[in-house]
Amino acid sequence: EVQMLESGGDLVQPGGSLRLSCAASGFTFSSYAMSWVRQAPGKGLEWVSIIYGSDGSTYYADSVKGRFTISRDDSKNTVYLQMNSLRGEDTAVYYCARAIGGGLVIYFDNWGQGTLVTVSS
Amino acid sequence: QSVLTQPPSVSGAPGQRVTISCTGGSSNIGADHDVHWYQQLPGTAPKLLIYDNTNRPSGVPDRFSGSKSGTSASLAITGLQAEDEADYYCQSYDSSLSGSLFGGGTKLTVL
Repeated sequence: EVQMLESGGDLVQPGGSLRLSCAASGFTFSSYAMSWVRQAPGKGLEWVSIIYGSDGSTYYADSVKGRFTISRDDSKNTVYLQMNSLRGEDTAVYYCARAIGGGLVIYFDNWGQGTLVTVSS
Repeated sequence: QSVLTQPPSVSGAPGQRVTISCTGGSSNIGADHDVHWYQQLPGTAPKLLIYDNTNRPSGVPDRFSGSKSGTSASLAITGLQAEDEADYYCQSYDSSLSGSLFGGGTKLTVL
């Protein structure tokens, strides 16, 4: 069974940093692209970032470019999201999702349960 | 306002058929980029419902179907059940924005 388990969400002050982790199981992790999608309280879904397993290429939404960094450790079946210079508008549940496709022409076939990031003083 | 526009809400009685539209433009759906649909039950993570416009993942009932035409796509649900009450999101790629986008979401209420 494909599973993703996110962790690392917390309350952080504006300007602060946080690292999210997503541990995957039930599939050949290195063969798949992994992505982060977020959902602000009471709002819709927003794609954040993706990292490919084949060549490690990464893409980011404009709203997080230059502040967030996605990475992966295939030996640990884990994908990370390093979030710096956090803002109030980054407050959201962050979901880890397995991505199917190429470039940014993708869809998300399996999702984790999410981890909550709150940016507030 | 999302580039992919969905009605904020739709409703239907048990057993009825409802459709949810997803209207885009020439740089996303109209550029022949595939549309995907997700179901988010209250308090849970999204779940893939339809991929590549019309395909259902294993385990998704055939009561759910997708279609695409021109700059729009639609999700149809037949034989509406109480358990279908959820938020539904469409998703596609936009070549002008160079990004993967979600619609604003539609809340389905089963009366």
